[in-house]
Amino acid sequence: SQQGEEDPQALSIQEGENATMNCSYKTSINNLQWYRQNSGRGLVHLILIRSNEREKHSGRLRVTLDTSKKSSSLLITASRAADTASYFCATGPIQGAQKLVFGQGTRLTINP
Amino acid sequence: EAGVVQSPRYKIIEKKQPVAFWCNPISGHNTLYWYRQNLGQGPELLIRYENEEAVDDSQLPKDRFSAERLKGVDSTLKIQPAELGDSAVYLCASSLPLNTEAFFGQGTRLTVV
Repeated sequence: SQQGEEDPQALSIQEGENATMNCSYKTSINNLQWYRQNSGRGLVHLILIRSNEREKHSGRLRVTLDTSKKSSSLLITASRAADTASYFCATGPIQGAQKLVFGQGTRLTINP
Repeated sequence: EAGVVQSPRYKIIEKKQPVAFWCNPISGHNTLYWYRQNLGQGPELLIRYENEEAVDDSQLPKDRFSAERLKGVDSTLKIQPAELGDSAVYLCASSLPLNTEAFFGQGTRLTVV
């Protein structure tokens, strides 16, 4: 079974627009991570936010975490064609540390 | 520094045949994961190692799947015999301790015909 669920499952926007993806999870966590996967490739780590943090930035990425709602969002600003990929959230639970549990992903398409 | 290396990249086998995947993690990473990813889905954990010890194999179908990590470095994942439903991408990842980011290999795409 998977812990997180991303929403929407698919998102298509124009280049230059902002893209927002959401992740909901079920159990208490130590941290939440976002990964990107280009077609036919492995996953690449984007950003990690700890349970005591509410917001984190990295370049054009902005991640928020609301532990009371058990949800997180990933915002990509000024999207580029190269951002086309699948995006996954992964939670690191408090119990059974070091176990990353992935959601089903959001398929993002950036149209030129 | 090389990342996580997996081989082979692709494998096509007939059902009931055995198959093995190999993973070389990043040097110094004590934690090693094997995930299975079906088309359009997120990765699902099969087994996690801390050094040479399998600390979480609850999702590994033990009737046909086996894994080992000799000397706490390289790891192999084996399926015997393979079934049609085993067709998927098998991903290996490694990380440092304490819930840090995981580094993934390119994966092995298995097709069982």
